Parts: sequence; C-alpha cells; structure tokens
Amino acid sequence: DAGVIQSPRHEVTEMGQEVTLRCKPISGHNSLFWYRQTMMRGLELLIYFNNNVPIDDSGMPEDRFSAKMPNASFSTLKIQPSEPRDSAVYFCASSLGGSNYEQYFGPGTRLTVT
Amino acid sequence: EDQVTQSPEALRLQEGESSSLNCSYTVSGLRGLFWYRQDPGKGPEFLFTLYSAGEEKEKERLKATLTKKESFLHITAPKPEDSATYLCAVQGAGGYQKVTFGTGTKLQVIP
Repeated sequence: DAGVIQSPRHEVTEMGQEVTLRCKPISGHNSLFWYRQTMMRGLELLIYFNNNVPIDDSGMPEDRFSAKMPNASFSTLKIQPSEPRDSAVYFCASSLGGSNYEQYFGPGTRLTVT
Repeated sequence: EDQVTQSPEALRLQEGESSSLNCSYTVSGLRGLFWYRQDPGKGPEFLFTLYSAGEEKEKERLKATLTKKESFLHITAPKPEDSATYLCAVQGAGGYQKVTFGTGTKLQVIP
C-alpha cells in the first residue's frame, strides 16, 4: 500500500487567498483525521471523519477552516481566507476504525502564508 | 479533558548510553496509549500501542511500558539513527477515535 497521500507537499500563498489541502487515506481505513503541527502548540487535531461523516470538528480554529470527505478515498481541508498565523504543517492520518485506534500519517503539507 | 505531558523536552545521548523518555497522562478510561516516532520533515510513524497497566512492547532497541499514570519509552544502547522526536498519545473513552498527543521529546544520539 502507498500509505496516506497528501498534496501539495508545500504551499506558499498570500494572505487572503484560498488554500485547499488534499488527502487520500489508506484503502480500507474508515477513519480520517486532519492535524496541524506548529512548534508552539505541537500536534493539534482539527477534525476527524468516520465512514466519511464528520464526527468532531471542535478543533477547527475558525469558520475560515472547512473540511469535506466526499468519498472513502478523498478528503480536503480548505482555508478561506488564509492568514499568516495559519502557517504550519498540516497532516492527514487514517485508521481502520472500530476498535483499532492506530493512526497512520501522511507526509504532511507545509503551508506558508505571507 | 485528556492530557499528555512528555519529559524531557530534549535529550542528548552518547551512542550506547541507555535512557528513558517519560509520558504522563490523565484520561477518562484509557483505551490505548501510543508511541510515535517523527523524523524532521516527515509525518509521525507508529511504533507501539499499550492498552493496560503492566503491559510492555519491544521493537529493536525500544521498549515501551505502561502504568496507570505514565508510560516510559526505554532506549537501550541507542544509535545515531534513533535520533528523532518521540511522541506519546492517548485515547480515552470519551471521544470516539479521538487521540490527544503530547508535545514530544526530541532525542539526539551523538556518535
């Protein structure tokens, strides 16, 4: 298996622009997670899905952030409009779900908002 | 709310010098405690899951142990390739599939 796939790997954008991050989970995994990692705050859970349904989005910092999972093999995290404080590494992770809680992470997207 | 505290924040060891990393946690009904390794520029890589106090898991030079309040990651005779940030995480009974991560211990092993 190719593991969790994320794109793009790097994104540089100007403040106010829309940013869309993409994730393809491991085939057969039923749960998908979006995290943000910064030096100051570490790894923070933003939102997670089970069977394509958002279960908990309490970690989404503001209404500027939104996430979708239209099918089992694709998810997006959108920031509109972006701000410099959104600069971070965004990770997607997936797990089998059910009683299996081990999460497998993608390589991340490094976002820089100038 | 589940909480995870890792110590030390950074650790520098000579090659072959064994040591332990600590992960203290508070959680309502532990479902699992996880250890991950993260290399610079990469996503966290899963190492171990521990489910109950007294449980131990081993992989090469790493051994993870669990008590009711903390977990230790013991590194025996480390090599430079063990240099990485080690993350601890817990899943409690409250949040379905939700995992809370600590801020990690950055380990550097010097040849």
